[in-house]
Amino acid sequence: NAGVTQTPKFRILKIGQSMTLQCTQDMNHNYMYWYRQDPGMGLKLIYYSVGAGITDKGEVPNGYNVSRSTTEDFPLRLELAAPSQTSVYFCASSYGDRDGYTFGSGTRLTVV
Amino acid sequence: QKEVEQNSGPLSVPEGAIASLNCTYSDRGSQSFFWYRQYSGKSPELIMFIYSNGDKEDGRFTAQLNKASQYVSLLIRDSQPSDSATYLCAVNNPLGTYKYIFGTGTRLKVLA
Repeated sequence: NAGVTQTPKFRILKIGQSMTLQCTQDMNHNYMYWYRQDPGMGLKLIYYSVGAGITDKGEVPNGYNVSRSTTEDFPLRLELAAPSQTSVYFCASSYGDRDGYTFGSGTRLTVV
Repeated sequence: QKEVEQNSGPLSVPEGAIASLNCTYSDRGSQSFFWYRQYSGKSPELIMFIYSNGDKEDGRFTAQLNKASQYVSLLIRDSQPSDSATYLCAVNNPLGTYKYIFGTGTRLKVLA
């Protein structure tokens, strides 16, 4: 049972480049989330999904897009990378909206 | 935007002592409360959750919830150096858009 798997673990992007952060869970969880974590700032919600085909914005969605075509996968797309998107990104999942989260191992992204 | 507040620390305790971590929240409608442990460079890991007023014990960990005073605490008995980590408090935000709000975390250092 792998839990929540994120790829890649590290990435350096140049300003203006695009990339997709992959997230897959094998726990049949309905809810999936993308957070970013900056030093001293805590976890900020980017996007979340309550099930396949349903996504919604979180606190800091600008510059990102998501899709949820299956229960298992919830990729995060950065279209035009900016230095402000340098952060650690965590994908998480939960069975319901009152349940605790299982986090992936994170992606450390640097935009230069 | 409702808030969850934690003292950033570091909180230093000697090995074998009780570590007390506190979290206050502003949304009186919050119903679910979680504690996550995050080792440096790693992802958050769920360690405790509590829904009702009072205490909930799990091994060396006790979560305490006081909805009237709007705080939730985590006690770690017989603290070990391996407990040294950042502890994140998360509170659900039923009236807002963003499912859970995380505090910025308290860094705990257990001194051998």
